[in-house]
Parts: sequence; structure tokens; C-alpha cells
Amino acid sequence: GQNIDQPTEMTATEGAIVQINCTYQTSGFNGLFWYQQHAGEAPTFLSYNVLDGLEEKGRFSSFLSRSKGYSYLLLKELQMKDSASYLCAVLDSNYQLIWGAGTKLIIKP
Amino acid sequence: GAVVSQHPSRVICKSGTSVKIECRSLDFQATTMFWYRQFPKQSLMLMATSNEGSKATYEQGVEKDKFLINHASLTLSTLTVTSAHPEDSSFYICSASGSSEPYEQYFGPGTRLTVT
Repeated sequence: GQNIDQPTEMTATEGAIVQINCTYQTSGFNGLFWYQQHAGEAPTFLSYNVLDGLEEKGRFSSFLSRSKGYSYLLLKELQMKDSASYLCAVLDSNYQLIWGAGTKLIIKP
Repeated sequence: GAVVSQHPSRVICKSGTSVKIECRSLDFQATTMFWYRQFPKQSLMLMATSNEGSKATYEQGVEKDKFLINHASLTLSTLTVTSAHPEDSSFYICSASGSSEPYEQYFGPGTRLTVT
């Protein structure tokens, strides 16, 4: 079956750095997405990785290792507004998006 | 970036009535649209996938006669919740993707449905 694993919840301090991991086992791979979802709102796109390596976009970076079935989202200089759920999703061989359950990130002052 | 609108944002209806939710892609042609449901503190759950001009593909456990999906054009899809019950109360979110890679999904703002 298809499976995406990410931690249920993480806590970090304002101004610090946090890394949210995602491992996946899917039938084929056509890219990995990270989305941010604030409570009561729809998800918003953060990043897309299809090749191995690190993609940097401001305070957020996303890394992919296809051989290991592994990705992480790195958030630097954390702000209170970064408190949200972070969803990892993989596009499989049929171009269907397989969603992880999300990681709830709590930022403390 | 691509914009997807959803209407209404909130709706309260009585048990037994039907509710229609619209999803529009405002600045691009959406080959495929997706409908999700999300209960409080739970993950997104894909309900169905629809391609313009064809019947929707429903996920296992989703009743197609209860959740009617119409994707009449490349910019509009509708979800009708028929004979709504209180257990249908949820956050319904649509998304749309284009026809070229990376097939990123752009999400609408969601519709909060409350059935009394």
C-alpha cells in the first residue's frame, strides 16, 4: 500500500529552527509537495521537490532524497505565525496526490 | 499564482435539505478538480476527483448519490450534498490542477457546512 509518515506534533521556540521529516512509500514518484494549513483554513503551497537536493525559499527549505524515500521541511527564524499544520504529499505514478496526516507545529515564545 | 474561489464560505442548513458548493478556477483552466473533506483536527480526506466533461471518480466509502459532483467546464466544479445530515457537517475544500507538470493543486478557501 501507499504510506506517508510524518510526526503528529512538534514544538519549537520563536526564533529557532525546526525540521519536519516525511518518509514515503508510494507506487511511483512524480514529486513531493509541502503545504501549510492554518486552523480553519485551506492548505497553501509551500514547496515542490522532484529531484534530490535542497530547495530554498526564504525562511523555508525543503530537501528530498528519492533513494531513501525521505524529505524534510526546514523552517528558520521561526515566527509565531508559523504555528500551523504542515502537510507532506507525494504525487504517485498515476499523478494522484497521496497525503500525509500532517504535522502540527506549535511555536512558543 | 493560480487562484481558486469557493462559494459559499459558510453555510448552515437543516437536516434533509441539499446544499450546493461551487469551486471556480479564476485565472487558469483546471483540467482536474478535487473535493476534500476535513473534520476537526483530522487530515484532509479526498472525496472525489473530477475531470471536465466526465464523471467524477469517488474514493472508497464516499456515496456518489449523496455527494453529487459536476465539472461542467474547465473553470467550474460543483459539489451538492443531498439530504444532508448533521454528520455531514464538515469543512469541504476544493482544489484544482492544470494539465502540465508538476500538477500542483491550488486550493480554494474552503466551505464550512453545518447541518442542524
